[in-house]
Amino acid sequence: DTGVSQNPRHKITKRGQNVTFRCDPISEHNRLYWYRQTLGQGPEFLTYFQNEAQLEKSRLLSDRFSAERPKGSFSTLEIQRTEQGDSAMYLCASSYTGNLAGDYNEQFFGPGTRLTVL
Amino acid sequence: QQQVKQSPQSLIVQKGGISIINCAYENTAFDYFPWYQQFPGKGPALLIAIRPDVSEKKEGRFTISFNKSAKQFSLHIMDSQPGDSATYFCAASMGEYQAGTALIFGKGTTLSVSS
Repeated sequence: DTGVSQNPRHKITKRGQNVTFRCDPISEHNRLYWYRQTLGQGPEFLTYFQNEAQLEKSRLLSDRFSAERPKGSFSTLEIQRTEQGDSAMYLCASSYTGNLAGDYNEQFFGPGTRLTVL
Repeated sequence: QQQVKQSPQSLIVQKGGISIINCAYENTAFDYFPWYQQFPGKGPALLIAIRPDVSEKKEGRFTISFNKSAKQFSLHIMDSQPGDSATYFCAASMGEYQAGTALIFGKGTTLSVSS
């Protein structure tokens, strides 16, 4: 399967700890997005990269959150000093953009990492 | 401020019936409107999407109807099946070739199809 993969699938941590999630996009997709989804809500945009450049950040992305995509392939999302309010599903999506991309902004999502902060 | 409003929150439909989910948006700069399907424990999967230059798009049993003047769009699922039972999200975004490609999602509709 060559879809978007995310690791770990589940993470339980104690308040105040740091956590890091990894996303591997579909091969050759040049855009990578992070979203957060809480129970009963739709995904909320956090940030996105085009290749290795972080082009947009939501105001939801507090200074405790940092995302990287160092070589334009996989990405990591780190949350420092976790709080109970950070408990959510963290979703990664990828897309390909270009003049011949067809339906644009077609974002393909991974299975998500469910974070529980105790 | 919720930019995409989705209704109903939940929907129960008999097998073989038509499921209809509605969304309304506020930002006239939106120019791409996808629908996603999500099963428990899974990420959202793209079902069908439309741009505002057409009023309807059909793929199999799924149809999007788009009303630009009313700033509304809807998903119709024909011949609904128990396997369609899932949560459906509408979304919107703007300007593929401009800044801002974040998808703005509605709050979702939980569909149950009874057999």
